[in-house]
Amino acid sequence: EDKVVQSPLSLVVHEGDTVTLNCSYEVTNFRSLLWYKQEKKAPTFLFMLTSSGIEKKSGRLSSILDKKELFSILNITATQTGDSAVYLCARGSSNTGKLIFGQGTTLQVKP
Amino acid sequence: SQTIHQWPATLVQPVGSPLSLECTVEGTSNPNLYWYRQAAGRGLQLLFYSVGIGQISSEVPQNLSASRPQDRQFILSSKKLLLSDSGFYLCAWSVDTGSYGYTFGSGTRLTVV
Repeated sequence: EDKVVQSPLSLVVHEGDTVTLNCSYEVTNFRSLLWYKQEKKAPTFLFMLTSSGIEKKSGRLSSILDKKELFSILNITATQTGDSAVYLCARGSSNTGKLIFGQGTTLQVKP
Repeated sequence: SQTIHQWPATLVQPVGSPLSLECTVEGTSNPNLYWYRQAAGRGLQLLFYSVGIGQISSEVPQNLSASRPQDRQFILSSKKLLLSDSGFYLCAWSVDTGSYGYTFGSGTRLTVV
């Protein structure tokens, strides 16, 4: 069974800190690596990565994929309390329609 | 634009009672549909997915079943709930294979007592 492993499982920082969330995966037939943010209800889409070494950015968030080492990172700079959430990583397969999710990283940003 | 509706938002059910959660998608045709469950403090576990009417694939053996009676309707059911069925249930849809991401419904928080 393909696995997606996220680390750390939880993280507490103060506003203004920079955080790096990690996601590693074991897979053949890799197609995509996705990051979602989940506050109280449905996960919301952040990034989709398909190529190694190309950084995706959205404001203070950025993400990059390393297909050789089979991992991705999500960076958040100048964290704010509104960044507090569970961050989910998922990988898509080229031969099935399924996304396999990691267990998530719970981020708490304190004022 | 496409929208996904999931209801109810919360549900408290006694052990042994039946369950029916419904999910509908608007604004698209022939979507791939998915049911996920999220236990407290855990990631999302894929329960069922469907690529068409009447086509259901089950990912894990369990006390639940799914049905797709119409193109844009996906139902999660149980005849007799167990305590272990408690969790946060999410419906999602995608185009094609879904490897490029899903859109999630707002979720149902089920507590079995």
